[in-house]
Amino acid sequence: EADIYQTPRYLVIGTGKKITLECSQTMGHDKMYWYQQDPGMELHLIHYSYGVNSTEKGDLSSESTVSRIRTEHFPLTLESARPSHTSQYLCASSESGFGGGEQFFGPGTRLTVL
Amino acid sequence: GNSVTQMEGPVTLSEEAFLTINCTYTATGYPSLFWYVQYPGEGLQLLLKATKADDKGSNKGFEATYRKETTSFHLEKGSVQVSDSAVYFCALTLGGSQGNLIFGKGTKLSVKP
Repeated sequence: EADIYQTPRYLVIGTGKKITLECSQTMGHDKMYWYQQDPGMELHLIHYSYGVNSTEKGDLSSESTVSRIRTEHFPLTLESARPSHTSQYLCASSESGFGGGEQFFGPGTRLTVL
Repeated sequence: GNSVTQMEGPVTLSEEAFLTINCTYTATGYPSLFWYVQYPGEGLQLLLKATKADDKGSNKGFEATYRKETTSFHLEKGSVQVSDSAVYFCALTLGGSQGNLIFGKGTKLSVKP
């Protein structure tokens, strides 16, 4: 069974705080992704990685940053949270190469910045 | 460019009604096509997929057929249940070394008893 974990599930934090959203997967997937999901449900790719030490920006510009030091771990950091960062953040992973393209998603982190 | 267009919701149906959610795509190449489902408070789950023209994906009573001639991948279910209430996303990937998914905007389905 596919296992991809996100913590915390819910986070309420004040403006200006630094936060890190955690994402880990146990499937050995090389590719990992971060999506931001707006209240209208639309998904926006904000970061992705093809492997260790590889990170790329996605289609939607984001003030967040990511790192990929280990295959299984892909944390997202906001240095100074603002109310405009309030959203649902979804992490996903997939196999390398032409493995059918399926992505496996974590349960998401719902972030509220006051 | 590559894109996915799916019917806007919300869609509200009575239990046991027939469901169709339309999805069309534009792609430079030969994409794989997917339907993902997101239940309230959860992440996305793969519902079904098709990797080449005329393939039919099916799962949990849902079906979709990859129609190259109409560039479509419509989702259907003959008899919906209250438990099918969720948001449904159509998506494509061109695979290869990148393989990023391109999603439609999602369609919210509510099934009433």
